[in-house]
Amino acid sequence: EDQVTQSPEALRLQEGESSSLNCSYTVSGLRGLFWYRQDPGKGPEFLFTLYSAGEEKEKERLKATLTKKESFLHITAPKPEDSATYLCAVQASGTYKYIFGTGTRLKVLA
Amino acid sequence: NAGVTQTPKFQVLKTGQSMTLQCAQDMNHEYMSWYRQDPGMGLRLIHYSVGAGITDQGEVPNGYNVSRSTTEDFPLRLLSAAPSQTSVYFCASTARGRGNTGELFFGEGSRLTVL
Repeated sequence: EDQVTQSPEALRLQEGESSSLNCSYTVSGLRGLFWYRQDPGKGPEFLFTLYSAGEEKEKERLKATLTKKESFLHITAPKPEDSATYLCAVQASGTYKYIFGTGTRLKVLA
Repeated sequence: NAGVTQTPKFQVLKTGQSMTLQCAQDMNHEYMSWYRQDPGMGLRLIHYSVGAGITDQGEVPNGYNVSRSTTEDFPLRLLSAAPSQTSVYFCASTARGRGNTGELFFGEGSRLTVL
């Protein structure tokens, strides 16, 4: 069964304290792994798509990496405005179904 | 471009009432879908469509109906609302075919409470 597990559930960081969020997945053939950011009361906002093991993508303080079993979202020197819930999702090859994890709630303290 | 537009943003229903959540996109996306988001359970797929006239069930379809008569619109109907359908509903769309990243574009959500 296709499955996505994110950890930790919640994370509190001091401003400037770098850390990583984990997304472990099981899927029958990966078409793509997606990272989204969701602010309270809003819809998820797209961050990255990763397609194959070894791939990396960067955007400002965020860097996403992918292996055959998991993806990491590295946050370097975070700022309070990075506080949000970060969602991971996978899409299996040959389908249009996206399987989402339950997310990591990130709080960055000034 | 407005992107994905959902209405209403908030709705309160009584058990047994029916209603329709509206979703419209102006990006000419073939794929549209409905998710519900509940605390601790993440986003779960209700129904999806890969084009006008084509719909299919997702993970949690019971109690919901959809139709896709145009590329732009994908309404979600609650046939007889139950308290278990209290949730935040998101509509999402994406383009199909080669060269597309597959990223989903989400609406702002519709918060539904069933009493």
